Amino acid sequence: DTAVSQTPKYLVTQMGNDKSIKCEQNLGHDTMYWYKQDSKKFLKIMFSYNNKELIINETVPNRFSPKSPDKAHLNLHINSLELGDSAVYFCASRKQPGPGHEQYFGPGTRLTVT
Amino acid sequence: GQNIDQPTEMTATEGAIVQINCTYQTSGFNGLFWYQQHAGEAPTFLSYNVLDGLEEKGRFSSFLSRSKGYSYLLLKELQMKDSASYLCAVRDQDRDDKIIFGKGTRLHILP
Repeated sequence: DTAVSQTPKYLVTQMGNDKSIKCEQNLGHDTMYWYKQDSKKFLKIMFSYNNKELIINETVPNRFSPKSPDKAHLNLHINSLELGDSAVYFCASRKQPGPGHEQYFGPGTRLTVT
Repeated sequence: GQNIDQPTEMTATEGAIVQINCTYQTSGFNGLFWYQQHAGEAPTFLSYNVLDGLEEKGRFSSFLSRSKGYSYLLLKELQMKDSASYLCAVRDQDRDDKIIFGKGTRLHILP
C-alpha cells in the first residue's frame, strides 16, 4: 500500500533522448509536485499541480513538461535530455494548499544522462 | 527574495543532544517544516511550526521565532539511525503557496 510511487526508479539514457517519469499517489491528495535534487542534495521545486491545474511553474527549461491526467497522477516528460539533467527527481503530494499538511514524497527517480 | 540557511554538516555523539539551526528570509511566511532524509531515500516529514514556540514530538523538538526568522530542530538521545540530512522548508504564501527547501544539514553520529 505505497502512498506515492514513481517509475522508473533508475533511468540511464543518452543526451538528446526523450524520457518520461510517472508518479501516482493513492492518498486522495489534491496537490502534487515535482522536485529536482542535484548532486549537492539541494531539493528544488519544479512544478505543482492542484486538482490537475498547474499552480507553480518554476524557472525550468521548456524541455520539461508535466502532465496531470487526473489528480492522482503527475507525469514528467523531458525532451532532448542534457548532461545537467542528471539528478534525482522526486514526486510529492499534499492534501491541499494551505496551512499545515506535510508533503509525502515518492522514492525518487535517479536519472543519469550520459 | 528567498533565502533559507542551514549549516552544511554537523557531527554529534550517540546518546547526546544536537541542535540544527535554520534561518529564513521569505517574502511571505506561513509555516516551517522539518524533514529527515536518509542517504538514497525520500524526505520524510518530522515537524511543522506555524506559531512561535516549541513543538515536541518524542526525541525530536522544533522551535520557531517568526520575528527572528529562525527555527531549530533539537534531537535528543541520539541514535546511529539519526545519521541523515535534515531539511528545513518554509511555506511562502506570497509565492503561490510554494514550499521552499533549504540545502539541508548532513548529521553524522559517532559511536
